Amino acid sequence: KNEVEQSPQNLTAQEGEFITINCSYSVGISALHWLQQHPGGGIVSLFMLSSGKKKHGRLIATINIQEKHSSLHITASHPRDSAVYICAVPTDNYGQNFVFGPGTRLSVLP
Amino acid sequence: NAGVTQTPKFQVLKTGQSMTLQCAQDMNHEYMSWYRQDPGMGLRLIHYSVGAGITDQGEVPNGYNVSRSTTEDFPLRLLSAAPSQTSVYFCASSSMPGQGLETQYFGPGTRLLVL
Repeated sequence: KNEVEQSPQNLTAQEGEFITINCSYSVGISALHWLQQHPGGGIVSLFMLSSGKKKHGRLIATINIQEKHSSLHITASHPRDSAVYICAVPTDNYGQNFVFGPGTRLSVLP
Repeated sequence: NAGVTQTPKFQVLKTGQSMTLQCAQDMNHEYMSWYRQDPGMGLRLIHYSVGAGITDQGEVPNGYNVSRSTTEDFPLRLLSAAPSQTSVYFCASSSMPGQGLETQYFGPGTRLLVL
């Protein structure tokens, strides 16, 4: 069993749809990161959260530390949201060494 | 701020050759790390550093060396390249103190092909 799992692996949506990506993990300290990898390869940090919910624009991330589960939601999806979304869990005392999920590839069609 | 920069963007090596992947950041971050990304697998940690003069191994350190002589630079050395080291390499940095909630800044990546 992988330490950090994501579902689905691939997701195709129509523009405007509500999207949910899930992350379950069996390791790590009490925090989780969501990252976005653009089609060109660049990686940017979206969220860091240790409890509850965070919202940035159309993106919402939730976490349940007890159940070791997090979800990333995209409301009113747009083709520019097409990317690979990766969850990552820090596993060391520095809170900096991560185990990464395999990523969810999202394609939003116009 | 340039953020995290990596050079080169792309490199082709022959088996047995050595090379250094450069990584620099201008945010005065204490923590820097190197990851490799292979198809179908998540990013995996190669080496990391929590400050100048301090480095440690990650999950997949074999075949790689690092040093951290300055806060800004964290080069990754391939001692004798092997086809298994064909991958995309990312450098990342963040500030400490390490509650797991520091923003990670990634470089643009170096695509390495070992023939």
